[in-house]
Amino acid sequence: GQNIDQPTEMTATEGAIVQINCTYQTSGFNGLFWYQQHAGEAPTFLSYNVLDGLEEKGRFSSFLSRSKGYSYLLLKELQMKDSASYLCAVPKGGSYIPTFGRGTSLIVHP
Amino acid sequence: GAGVSQSPSNKVTEKGKDVELRCDPISGHTALYWYRQRLGQGLEFLIYFQGNSAPDKSGLPSDRFSAERTGESVSTLTIQRTQQEDSAVYLCASTRENGGEQFFGPGTRLTVL
Repeated sequence: GQNIDQPTEMTATEGAIVQINCTYQTSGFNGLFWYQQHAGEAPTFLSYNVLDGLEEKGRFSSFLSRSKGYSYLLLKELQMKDSASYLCAVPKGGSYIPTFGRGTSLIVHP
Repeated sequence: GAGVSQSPSNKVTEKGKDVELRCDPISGHTALYWYRQRLGQGLEFLIYFQGNSAPDKSGLPSDRFSAERTGESVSTLTIQRTQQEDSAVYLCASTRENGGEQFFGPGTRLTVL
């Protein structure tokens, strides 16, 4: 089966750095996605990791360790607009159908 | 070009009625997905279309749910004899290629009274 775990909620201060973790269990790995979802809106793509290591994209970076079944999303220089839910998604082994985690609700306060 | 569009944006219906939700994917995107998202919950996969292949219906929760897609264009999700537990946001997403990033539509918020 497929199992994805991420914290339910995190809070951080504007200007700070926050790391959102995701652990997964899957048979056959096809990559890992991170999406951002603001309240009442649709998810939007943030990053995709298929190889181990850190992928940096502006203020956001995503890390993957396949051997540990672990990823994190790193958000730097937090802004109020970063308050959103962050979804980790892993395609089911051998398919193109992602299983989404329940999402981590990030609250950025002044 | 235009993104994924869905209609209606909101639908309120009475228990027992049938509803039809529509999704227009991005032109040229071969794969199309339907998800359900209940309040405060994650995305629940419903069905996946890829080109002219048989759809993967493994996520449909009951035989009251069905979906169609004509070629690589519009898809409709039909829920028959709606129940209150069907109340949720129904999201559609398309991808340019297999396994690629998903582009989501704005969703249809379904409320069953």
